Amino acid sequence: AQKVTQAQTEISVVEKEDVTLDCVYETRDTTYYLFWYKQPPSGELVFLIRRNSFDEQNEISGRYSWNFQKSTSSFNFTITASQVVDSAVYFCALSEETTSGTYKYIFGTGTRLKVLA
Amino acid sequence: KAGVTQTPRYLIKTRGQQVTLSCSPISGHRSVSWYQQTPGQGLQFLFEYFSETQRNKGNFPGRFSGRQFSNSRSEMNVSTLELGDSALYLCASSLASRTNEKLFFGSGTQLSVL
Repeated sequence: AQKVTQAQTEISVVEKEDVTLDCVYETRDTTYYLFWYKQPPSGELVFLIRRNSFDEQNEISGRYSWNFQKSTSSFNFTITASQVVDSAVYFCALSEETTSGTYKYIFGTGTRLKVLA
Repeated sequence: KAGVTQTPRYLIKTRGQQVTLSCSPISGHRSVSWYQQTPGQGLQFLFEYFSETQRNKGNFPGRFSGRQFSNSRSEMNVSTLELGDSALYLCASSLASRTNEKLFFGSGTQLSVL
């Protein structure tokens, strides 16, 4: 069965520390997409990154970086030099094709990150 | 460009009542999907509409239903409310016909069932 696991329910770090949020997924498909979204206290999820299953290149965007490893079915997210504004709930998600040819999202349970000043 | 708009922002109902939530997608977006968010459960997919047709459905009872209008606005209805329906209901829209595109979310409707 398709599944996304974010084992870390809540993480607290002090400002300027690096932090890694883990995401492990399960899927039978060879073609799928992985995402990370950020949910600040205002409630709306904000898209951070999308990666398809054929692109294992790691990505860096400013203080954010993502490590995709198909061998371990993981898509981890690292924030370097964390800031208070990074405090939010972060969701990892998997999008894969349904039997009807459309795509459906499966979200993890989220990791709440608290960055303390 | 206006984002995804959900109304109302907060709602308090009692058991047995029904409720209708509204979602206006970003202009030009034809796909609208709904999610239920509860503590510890993450986001659970309810259904997705594209061009007024339900394209995908999650594992929720028939009390949960939805529809989409010709202007892409969507409504979600929950009948015979139960205490367990208390949650944040999020709506998301996307531009493309394939839902592996990124989603744009609204701020949600916080439903409390007493």
